[in-house]
Amino acid sequence: NAGVTQTPKFQVLKTGQSMTLQCAQDMNHEYMSWYRQDPGMGLRLIHYSVGAGITDQGEVPNGYNVSRSTTEDFPLRLLSAAPSQTSVYFCASGRSWGHVNSGANVLTFGAGSRLTVL
Amino acid sequence: AQTVTQSQPEMSVQEAETVTLSCTYDTSESDYYLFWYKQPPSRQMILVIRQEAYKQQNATENRFSVNFQKAAKSFSLKISDSQLGDAAMYFCAYRSPNYGQNFVFGPGTRLSVLP
Repeated sequence: NAGVTQTPKFQVLKTGQSMTLQCAQDMNHEYMSWYRQDPGMGLRLIHYSVGAGITDQGEVPNGYNVSRSTTEDFPLRLLSAAPSQTSVYFCASGRSWGHVNSGANVLTFGAGSRLTVL
Repeated sequence: AQTVTQSQPEMSVQEAETVTLSCTYDTSESDYYLFWYKQPPSRQMILVIRQEAYKQQNATENRFSVNFQKAAKSFSLKISDSQLGDAAMYFCAYRSPNYGQNFVFGPGTRLSVLP
């Protein structure tokens, strides 16, 4: 059971370049999300999706784009990389919720991707 | 909007001793979920323990337990018999039960375990 798979694990970009961080999950989770982690700031939500074809912005969406064409995949695109986007990125997925007693309600994380923008 | 605060950026504990990590949160909801995640140097985020707000009983998972004080909006994590492998960043997180609501994470507490 692979869980949540993120690629690449490391990437170095030059300012202005674009790239895509890949995220795939094999748990049939409806909910998927992208976070960035910066020192002293915890994890901040970039974008999320509650199902195929549905995406929405999180706390820090500027400079990032997402799509959700399948339940399994949720790629994060950096349109024109900036040094401020140097960070560690996490993809996370979970089961849908909407019921107070629905039980699982946890996020399963990928291993993270360290991105450096020069 | 909900916020999560962890007032201890760094903590240390002697091996085999007990340590408590603090977490407070702000919400106007009556039902919600709280979590502690651990992030060791490997960077992997690992769920440690979770608590449903409607349950009065504090959650426990082996050496890990919480002190959930709903009125005070406090959710501390107690680690008993600390082990070297407990050294990590610990994140407190909040989630609303409403559909489409996201997790809100605190800034984290870095725990060192001294041999």
